[in-house]
Amino acid sequence: GDSVTQMEGPVTLSEEAFLTINCTYTATGYPSLFWYVQYPGEGLQLLLKATKADDKGSNKGFEATYRKETTSFHLEKGSVQVSDSAVYFCALSVEYNQGGKLIFGQGTELSVKP
Amino acid sequence: KAGVTQTPRYLIKTRGQQVTLSCSPISGHRSVSWYQQTPGQGLQFLFEYFSETQRNKGNFPGRFSGRQFSNSRSEMNVSTLELGDSALYLCASSQGTGSSYNEQFFGPGTRLTVL
Repeated sequence: GDSVTQMEGPVTLSEEAFLTINCTYTATGYPSLFWYVQYPGEGLQLLLKATKADDKGSNKGFEATYRKETTSFHLEKGSVQVSDSAVYFCALSVEYNQGGKLIFGQGTELSVKP
Repeated sequence: KAGVTQTPRYLIKTRGQQVTLSCSPISGHRSVSWYQQTPGQGLQFLFEYFSETQRNKGNFPGRFSGRQFSNSRSEMNVSTLELGDSALYLCASSQGTGSSYNEQFFGPGTRLTVL
């Protein structure tokens, strides 16, 4: 079945360090891919998305490229800030009568130290 | 535009009771999905409603049910609560059709504790 695998956390970085959170997926059909972020005590916020192969999603300095050949959607940021500390979720939605269904990875907790 | 709202934000119930959670989607959105978030199982899809009809369903027992009203507001109900139902319940809304149909916007969640 469809699934998403993320690198395990927690990930601890110093401010201004480079961030990579790995995400790979297994899906039938042609999935759209998403990164969501969850701050403590809050719901999920959509960070970025990509709907087809080779698309690059970007937002707030974060980027991820949809790689169909490696079934990956790794999240990157060149210089993290303390305010980026949160849990990051990679997710997919497959395009066949499942418009409302997202499949999530297990989440990766990021902690950024000053 | 106002975001997705969920009420109540916190609930404490005892085993065997039932509970109803409410979700108001973003104005103009016709699809509402529900997810359960727990430390052990992560984020799991419960069901999706579109135009008052359940369009998709996850792998949860029949104790979990939902409905959607003509104004797109949705409720989910859990009957005969068990300790394992303690979780954060998240509601998400989307347009439900067209190229953005699978872009979902989440509410803050309802934290349910079952004692």
